[in-house]
Amino acid sequence: GAVVSQHPSRVICKSGTSVKIECRSLDFQATTMFWYRQFPKQSLMLMATSNEGSKATYEQGVEKDKFLINHASLTLSTLTVTSAHPEDSSFYICSARMGGGNGELFFGEGSRLTVL
Amino acid sequence: LAKTTQPISMDSYEGQEVNITCSHNNIATNDYITWYQQFPSQGPRFIIQGYKTKVTNEVASLFIPADRKSSTLSLPRVSLSDTAVYYCLVGDMNTGGFKTIFGAGTRLFVKA
Repeated sequence: GAVVSQHPSRVICKSGTSVKIECRSLDFQATTMFWYRQFPKQSLMLMATSNEGSKATYEQGVEKDKFLINHASLTLSTLTVTSAHPEDSSFYICSARMGGGNGELFFGEGSRLTVL
Repeated sequence: LAKTTQPISMDSYEGQEVNITCSHNNIATNDYITWYQQFPSQGPRFIIQGYKTKVTNEVASLFIPADRKSSTLSLPRVSLSDTAVYYCLVGDMNTGGFKTIFGAGTRLFVKA
């Protein structure tokens, strides 16, 4: 099946710094990518929908200035957590939707962010 | 968006068949039903997808009644490695604006 890769898988940073997480579709072009965050023992929460070449659409309650999303190409979307704080510590997951077909979603491995 | 409701958790023993039911009373005509599996600290993994009746693949079966207001994921002869959280998602997969809204999921625990 198609592969979606996230990098880094784990990152630890100091409070106040910014962290960038990459999401790549390795063997297909993704017209749409999604970003989620997941706290322990909880479900995935959709943060934003990223369409190549256009601005991301953020879900209600998600700060667009804090969570910057860029989808510059059909194989890469990035999530930048700006001025990170300990409460931003979470598991961030991306998914990519293949254009056409049945629109199956492929998920990345996730990136665990720990803000000290 | 169709909201889904699943049991919070289920227990089973190795070798048993496990059936997890998902309710989606307001499913739309163009919506498909997709099930995902998630292990701790990993992204969800696609299990199966269907629109109506029955779908079977190498790992699971999906039963969808005629009214499509619910669906049942069937895992034959589970093993310890099937311990995971299972999510059902409902949406129009062919729409560019399709969103993936996850419900609470069902935490399956398989015991020896």
